[in-house]
Amino acid sequence: SYVLTQPPSVSVAPGKTASITCGGNNIGGRSVHWYQQKPGQAPVVVIYYDGDRPSGIPERFTGSNSGNTATLTISRVEAGDEADYYCQVWDSSSDHRGVFGGGTKLTVL
Amino acid sequence: QVQLVESGGGVVQPGRSLRLSCADSGFSFSNYAMHWVRQAPGKGLEWVAVISYDGSNKYYADSVKGRFTIFRDNSKNTLYLQMNSLRVEDTAVYYCARNDGDIGAGGMDVWGQGTTVTVSS
Repeated sequence: SYVLTQPPSVSVAPGKTASITCGGNNIGGRSVHWYQQKPGQAPVVVIYYDGDRPSGIPERFTGSNSGNTATLTISRVEAGDEADYYCQVWDSSSDHRGVFGGGTKLTVL
Repeated sequence: QVQLVESGGGVVQPGRSLRLSCADSGFSFSNYAMHWVRQAPGKGLEWVAVISYDGSNKYYADSVKGRFTIFRDNSKNTLYLQMNSLRVEDTAVYYCARNDGDIGAGGMDVWGQGTTVTVSS
């Protein structure tokens, strides 16, 4: 089965840039979606299809995907960005299933 | 305002059954594939199942295959998850989520608030 690997935690100072990676075998050949989840809340999609931003998501959130790594980049980090972030793909290689990464806790120092 | 509202969670003994519901409001429910995603206490997100817009295609995580059934009633704008032979490890918050695009294409662009299922003796 397809596996997505994320770092458990990333820390960043306010105003700096945070990068959260999502590793998977040839993930660059798949569409990656990113979700933000704050404590006690449902997830919210922040990046679609590798790098598209839904309406209402700040331009500070960008995504890229190539080779074996997809990356969510948050520029000019704010305290309100502190949350868990999950990457997700669809795996049709053997059976059809959704796959989430293990999640990354973003801490704003 | 697009909104999904889950219901049906509760406390149930191992081996018993439970049915979750997810009602939409504000969008053309019958045009979208729909997912169930769960989150065990203190853990990450786990995809559970997906159903196509017309109910003709359904896919399941290995952990629930053969025990859970996803289905929908487009006349009632409602998604369901029938959970049988429940196990302690099924304890989680269960979210329904709308799929943007066909199965395998889009991400999950609208989520419900979640309903809690606790499996305990």
